[in-house]
Amino acid sequence: GENVEQHPSTLSVQEGDSAVIKCTYSDSASNYFPWYKQELGKGPQLIIDIRSNVGEKKDQRIAVTLNKTAKHFSLHITETQPEDSAVYFCAASLGADGLTFGKGTHLIIQP
Amino acid sequence: GAVVSQHPSRVICKSGTSVKIECRSLDFQATTMFWYRQFPKQSLMLMATSNEGSKATYEQGVEKDKFLINHASLTLSTLTVTSAHPEDSSFYICSARYGDEKLFFGSGTQLSVL
Repeated sequence: GENVEQHPSTLSVQEGDSAVIKCTYSDSASNYFPWYKQELGKGPQLIIDIRSNVGEKKDQRIAVTLNKTAKHFSLHITETQPEDSAVYFCAASLGADGLTFGKGTHLIIQP
Repeated sequence: GAVVSQHPSRVICKSGTSVKIECRSLDFQATTMFWYRQFPKQSLMLMATSNEGSKATYEQGVEKDKFLINHASLTLSTLTVTSAHPEDSSFYICSARYGDEKLFFGSGTQLSVL
């Protein structure tokens, strides 16, 4: 089955700086890669996603890049703000299958 | 985004009792819903895939008789934890498929079994 590795497990950045979280996947057939933000005690919130036929997607301060050859994808958050502090999960799936999640990254925005 | 409602948000029960958790897609129809389990500071683990009108598909190691899933309509799936024990204490989260790929999650249920 699919295996998703996510790094780093914890990331601390100064407010206003950029944050980058990286994930790799094992199944080259996977074709959908979403990113979720989870706050304490809440369910994951979809923040951005990308399909395998696209290399990059941007939504305001958030962007995702995908390298199919290397089987890795990354989340980029620019101009970080305190409310960006949360746990971020990458995931991968193939078609109608359920998502396989990475282990998560605890993002801490230092004021 | 699409809205998925999950209830209850928190439940405390005695060992040996059963607990039902509801997951509803409020503004869309979901032929497929998923149930996840999450331990503190860990990732989400897929428990089962719930398809409307058919039996759920369970992941390896998940006891189907312990975790009963019913998906009776296009907007409702339920997870019943039967004869709950302390080791079943966890954060349970449902998600519903919107369109072909996107999954939207409920707010989760914190189950504590005494």
